[in-house]
Amino acid sequence: DGGITQSPKYLFRKEGQNVTLSCEQNLNHDAMYWYRQDPGQGLRLIYYSQIVNDFQKGDIAEGYSVSREKKESFPLTVTSAQKNPTAFYLCASTLAGGRNIQYFGAGTRLSVL
Amino acid sequence: QQPVQSPQAVILREGEDAVINCSSSKALYSVHWYRQKHGEAPVFLMILLKGGEQKGHEKISASFNEKKQQSSLYLTASQLSYSGTYFCGTGGGNTPLVFGKGTRLSVIA
Repeated sequence: DGGITQSPKYLFRKEGQNVTLSCEQNLNHDAMYWYRQDPGQGLRLIYYSQIVNDFQKGDIAEGYSVSREKKESFPLTVTSAQKNPTAFYLCASTLAGGRNIQYFGAGTRLSVL
Repeated sequence: QQPVQSPQAVILREGEDAVINCSSSKALYSVHWYRQKHGEAPVFLMILLKGGEQKGHEKISASFNEKKQQSSLYLTASQLSYSGTYFCGTGGGNTPLVFGKGTRLSVIA
């Protein structure tokens, strides 16, 4: 079955540590996105990538980094510069030239130890 | 600019109807509606494009008023399975969607 796989489902970060969230899709979608979800805040865009080896900052990119070396993969690193990383992180993808319909992964819940 | 959703939360009994609104200060090209159940990923419900209305899911329909830059989601004869948080997303073309803060819908027996 085609879809988006995020791992791990739960992640704990220690003070000063960088952690990487994985996002893989086999939908052959061109564009991929990372969102952060906090209670009552909706979905806020961190980074997005429309093609391989290219990505753009979203509204809340500070303290995060991404790479897009392969079409299927768009990992997100939460760096130690992100002082409040506790949140639910969602990865999504869309088909270029389509109606921008977002297909989401199941999410990663990140907590600070 | 983040679209504004109203109400923030609503509680319904099974069989009742509800309306969720989404408004934007910017001209809208399209409006998306998604539903997210607790702890799960959002799921696409439907899209409304400029110049048209598209019904997408179960007994849920939506309208799109381009002049007022608003969309409304209508849930009729609600079922327990309708519970969740509903998000509208606005945008279009190659620009990423911008999502509202969500409306939490609880349907009780």
